[in-house]
Amino acid sequence: KAGVTQTPRYLIKTRGQQVTLSCSPISGHRSVSWYQQTPGQGLQFLFEYFSETQRNKGNFPGRFSGRQFSNSRSEMNVSTLELGDSALYLCASSFRDAGELFFGEGSRLTVL
Amino acid sequence: GQNIDQPTEMTATEGAIVQINCTYQTSGFNGLFWYQQHAGEAPTFLSYNVLDGLEEKGRFSSFLSRSKGYSYLLLKELQMKDSASYLCAVRSSNTGKLIFGQGTTLQVKP
Repeated sequence: KAGVTQTPRYLIKTRGQQVTLSCSPISGHRSVSWYQQTPGQGLQFLFEYFSETQRNKGNFPGRFSGRQFSNSRSEMNVSTLELGDSALYLCASSFRDAGELFFGEGSRLTVL
Repeated sequence: GQNIDQPTEMTATEGAIVQINCTYQTSGFNGLFWYQQHAGEAPTFLSYNVLDGLEEKGRFSSFLSRSKGYSYLLLKELQMKDSASYLCAVRSSNTGKLIFGQGTTLQVKP
């Protein structure tokens, strides 16, 4: 059974640009969550989607957005990138509601 | 809101036992998770507690006291490969969010 797949794994952008990250959950998992991980802040919750609906949102500015498709794949978008957005963005999927999360390898974003 | 506290760093010796503590405050409680994360890798699930008591899984055990807002992860017979960051996470029953602590970096020395 394939794990959670995130693309791209690494990317470099400049300030002001925008970026889209993709996440394919484990087959059969309908819940997808996104986290931002930085050395200073640890894992910060971004959003959670279930059956194409955003169920929860963390305390991030409106530049951070996401969506989930009917096949449970999810994307997140960050517009008008800032230096502070440099981080590892982790996607996780879950089979059942409130169940354990299975994480992908992450997308490492560097903003110059 | 939610607040999760765990020590930043711990050091232990190969073959020994180490206990990593986690205290939390949350608006409603719907489970506590422990994850292991090796440097440069994704977090992997270790344990889940929703009721008070001890859950044992091989060399790893996790304890929960809901009344005290307290959990610990116990690692026995430490091996060098156990050097990693250990993340405590709590799910709020009010918001449904799973919030992580900052993590405890464990260094196992020979």
